[in-house]
Amino acid sequence: EVQLVESGGGLVQPGESLKLSCATSGFTFSTYWMTWVRQAPGKGLEWVGNIKPDGSDKYHVDSVKGRFTISRDNAKNSLYLEMNSLRVEDTAVYYCASCKEGCDYWGQGTLVTVSS
Amino acid sequence: EIVLTQSPATLSLSPGERATLSCRASQSVSSYLAWYQQKPGQAPRLLIYDASNRATGIPARFSGSGSGTDFTLTISSLEPEDFAVYYCLHRSNWPNTFGQGTKLEIK
Repeated sequence: EVQLVESGGGLVQPGESLKLSCATSGFTFSTYWMTWVRQAPGKGLEWVGNIKPDGSDKYHVDSVKGRFTISRDNAKNSLYLEMNSLRVEDTAVYYCASCKEGCDYWGQGTLVTVSS
Repeated sequence: EIVLTQSPATLSLSPGERATLSCRASQSVSSYLAWYQQKPGQAPRLLIYDASNRATGIPARFSGSGSGTDFTLTISSLEPEDFAVYYCLHRSNWPNTFGQGTKLEIK
């Protein structure tokens, strides 16, 4: 059974940092692009970024460039999202997803709340 | 950045009816477009990838068409479980972007 489990969300103040993790099992992690998608409360989906199967290339949406970094550890079948200089507008549920032609498998999401 | 515009924003139909959802790209995305369904409190679910290919386990009543800038998701006969929000997503270049969503509600 394929499983993706996000963790690391929580309540932080503006300017603080947080690192999200996505632990996976049940598929060949090292052959999939991995993606982070977020959804602000009551809003639509926003693509945050993705990373190649071997980790050699990664892409981030402009609104998080320079603040967020996607990484992966293929030995641990895990994906990460390091988030620095968090802003109120980063408040959202963050999903990880495994993707080839489409994003077939998704985690249940982890809530990040940025508030003073 | 490629902008995806979905229409209509809300579609009110009854079970058994046919639903037609549109996604228009600001520039060509070739066939690199997918459709996702999302229900409240749940993660998105892949329905269609590369414009017209049904994902594993997706019922045949869901179909996708289009290429370039204009795409359509069709649900041939609505079941009660189909009422949800639908998003398109392109992977033609970076950043990938989602449309703003179409809410399919029960009339």
